[in-house]
Amino acid sequence: DVVMTQSPLSLPVTPGQPASISCRSSQSLVHSDGNTYLNWFQQRPGQSPRRLIYKVSNRDSGVPDRFSGSGSGTDFTLKISRVEAEDVGVYYCMQSTHWPWTFGQGTKVEIK
Amino acid sequence: EVQLVESGGDLVQPGGSLRLSCAASGFTFSNYWMSWVRQAPGKGLEWVANINQGGSEKYYVDSVKGRFTISRDNAKNSLYLQMNSLRAEDTAFYYCARAVDYTVDYWGQGTLATVSS
Repeated sequence: DVVMTQSPLSLPVTPGQPASISCRSSQSLVHSDGNTYLNWFQQRPGQSPRRLIYKVSNRDSGVPDRFSGSGSGTDFTLKISRVEAEDVGVYYCMQSTHWPWTFGQGTKVEIK
Repeated sequence: EVQLVESGGDLVQPGGSLRLSCAASGFTFSNYWMSWVRQAPGKGLEWVANINQGGSEKYYVDSVKGRFTISRDNAKNSLYLQMNSLRAEDTAFYYCARAVDYTVDYWGQGTLATVSS
């Protein structure tokens, strides 16, 4: 199975400051169709996960543009340009290139 | 509006069975792959199973193969997860999710299955 490793696992941030989460995969996430199926999900306290980003850098409808995704191959990043209080929660990367689909351990974002 | 509503979670003894259901609305259910994803209380996410539009293709994580069965009834816009030979480590919130283009986009609110004596 593809192992997804996130860092850091805990991220205290000051409102208005940027934040960055790294996600690395144990093998390339480039699919035979040429796409890279790397997704980012946000899970606010007490809520279901919500998809933010799909195929590395495509932002979902309604997701603020302060969220951006980048990367290639085995190395990916989620960036929040200016953290707001509503961004508190756990962020997960997930690869869906290889079966079984696998998630990172999660990164807990909290406000300082 | 896409809606996914899970039900069927309960307290069951080890070795027992449980059937989870997911009622879908707001989209053409029969056009989409569907997934089950679980989350042990206070832990991370784990993909469990996928099923294609017609129910002929099914994929499972190794830890549930031979014990869990994913199925669907397109006439009822419903997804199911039959869970047999349950173990304590199967205790989790189980989320139904819509799968599209090799990912999941919409999630339900989850239903809690607790395996304990």
